[in-house]
Amino acid sequence: GENVEQHPSTLSVQEGDSAVIKCTYSDSASNYFPWYKQELGKRPQLIIDIRSNVGEKKDQRIAVTLNKTAKHFSLHITETQPEDSAVYFCAASKGGDYKLSFGAGTTVTVRA
Amino acid sequence: GAGVSQSPSNKVTEKGKDVELRCDPISGHTALYWYRQRLGQGLEFLIYFQGNSAPDKSGLPSDRFSAERTGESVSTLTIQRTQQEDSAVYLCASSLEWRPGNTIYFGEGSWLTVV
Repeated sequence: GENVEQHPSTLSVQEGDSAVIKCTYSDSASNYFPWYKQELGKRPQLIIDIRSNVGEKKDQRIAVTLNKTAKHFSLHITETQPEDSAVYFCAASKGGDYKLSFGAGTTVTVRA
Repeated sequence: GAGVSQSPSNKVTEKGKDVELRCDPISGHTALYWYRQRLGQGLEFLIYFQGNSAPDKSGLPSDRFSAERTGESVSTLTIQRTQQEDSAVYLCASSLEWRPGNTIYFGEGSWLTVV
């Protein structure tokens, strides 16, 4: 099955700086890559996703890039703010497969 | 409802006891998922329901785990003879039929502690 690895496990950034989280996947058939944000004690929420026919997608301060050849995708958060502090999970699935394979998560702390 | 609702939010149980966790999906969502999240780890797929189709139970870790769903409504996840390694957050999610781009909405989870 799909194996998703996520790095780093923890990330501390100064407010206003950028944060980058990287994920690699093993199954070349995977073609859907969502990112979830989970605040402490809260439910995971989808923040952005990308499909394999697209190399980059941006939504305000958040962007995701995908490199299908290298089988990795990254989340970029620019101009970080304290409310960006949370655990971020990447995930991958194949188009017809509803089972998302999740990375282990990255705990992001934005220092004021 | 406004979102996916789960109960109980917290459950402490003694080893060997059975527990039942409940999920109320968003109205109209035909797809329902259960995931398990151990402390400090990512989410593990447990089971998937789609309408009246046979569920995909391939993620259930042992035969002590079972889940039911009646039509497109409430689902229950049952863990029999609980073990300490079952301690985790059990997250339910729902979506319109599975399709990339159809957002999966998670509940806030049921925190299970087996002592």
